[in-house]
Amino acid sequence: EIVLTQSPGTLSLSPGERATLSCRASQSVSSSYLAWYQQKPGQAPRLLIYGASSRATGIPDRFSGSGSGTDFTLTISRLEPEDFAVYYCQQYGSSPPALTFGGGTKVEIK
Amino acid sequence: EVQLVESGGGLVQPGRSLRLSCAASGFTFDDYAMHWVRQAPGKGLEWVSGISWNSGSIGYADSVKGRFTISRDNAKNSLYLQMNSLRAEDTALYYCAKGDFGDYWGQGTLVTVSS
Repeated sequence: EIVLTQSPGTLSLSPGERATLSCRASQSVSSSYLAWYQQKPGQAPRLLIYGASSRATGIPDRFSGSGSGTDFTLTISRLEPEDFAVYYCQQYGSSPPALTFGGGTKVEIK
Repeated sequence: EVQLVESGGGLVQPGRSLRLSCAASGFTFDDYAMHWVRQAPGKGLEWVSGISWNSGSIGYADSVKGRFTISRDNAKNSLYLQMNSLRAEDTALYYCAKGDFGDYWGQGTLVTVSS
């Protein structure tokens, strides 16, 4: 069973700053099966990145994903006020269909 | 427009059962795997169960294995979760999510297990 560990737990930054979020897997994960989500209070999660680095439809290009093997990163190049939220990484498999989530990183306003 | 609408949540006593439904529209339902994911109050996301497009492959989290059953009716564009022997720790907002990695999610239905 793959465990995803996200760090830091909380990131305190100001609008305009760069955010770097980490997701480390307990064993190697295919890049094709790594995704990132954003969740705001009272809302369902929204897909940001799939396949480790592909932006989902409508996601601004300030969001980027990178990494391979056991280390993956979500970068927000310049934080906008609407980007303050919780971010989750996720690994997925299809046989059987299964999802594994990291514990989340909260990006808060400093 | 993809829409996923969950229903069936509510307040239930420990040990009782509940059946959740997810009505899908805006995409070809039987082309995609589907998942149930839950979120306890103030906590992170926990995958519950997933089902392949043709119900031929099904997975469960260890925490619900033997108690919950996922199913789908492609003719009705619907996903279900039968939850038996409910426990207090099953209290959560339950989301259905579309596709191998959940590219669209519903708004969730709240399940509260309490006496």
